[in-house]
Amino acid sequence: SAVISQKPSRDICQRGTSLTIQCQVDSQVTMMFWYRQQPGQSLTLIATANQGSEATYESGFVIDKFPISRPNLTFSTLTVSNMSPEDSSIYLCSALLGGSYGYTFGSGTRLTVV
Amino acid sequence: GQQLNQSPQSMFIQEGEDVSMNCTSSSIFNTWLWYKQEPGEGPVLLIALYKAGELTSNGRLTAQFGITRKDSFLNISASIPSDVGIYFCAGQSQGAQKLVFGQGTRLTINP
Repeated sequence: SAVISQKPSRDICQRGTSLTIQCQVDSQVTMMFWYRQQPGQSLTLIATANQGSEATYESGFVIDKFPISRPNLTFSTLTVSNMSPEDSSIYLCSALLGGSYGYTFGSGTRLTVV
Repeated sequence: GQQLNQSPQSMFIQEGEDVSMNCTSSSIFNTWLWYKQEPGEGPVLLIALYKAGELTSNGRLTAQFGITRKDSFLNISASIPSDVGIYFCAGQSQGAQKLVFGQGTRLTINP
């Protein structure tokens, strides 16, 4: 079965530092997505990451704060830069997989900024 | 921007009861998806709907794509304790690759 692996699963970080989250898909995919899920809230799309091009950011999210890499068709990273307590959230990666899998999600990274 | 209104926000039911939740939108969607999220996990796809009027079942779960293409519902029959979680609807409009998510329905079951 298709799997999306995300790490770290959780982290506690000091304000002002940066954290890079990794997402690995076990099959090649064209599009990968990064979401933020604040405590008790729904999922909000941060950006869409296509291999070989710049990520497309949603309103309210900027590249300087959330730089994304997409070096190949199975891997992407999201960096949360210059963190503040307001960045404490669950960050989820997703990919559009073939067949019945559809839009599949990783298990998320629970980030706490202190 | 596009928004999905999901209701109810939370449900407290007895084991064995049936559950119904729905999502509505002011915009037309070409695809409706229903996900379940458990603590510490990402959302897991339950049912995907691709055609207006489509009614699809997955075990005790049944979902329908509204004929106006602006709404969808999810029913769970004979609920069991492992149905506990947060259920999200998501829609995808024509030509768009990204999903729009509802606010979620938190389901709690009393045994």
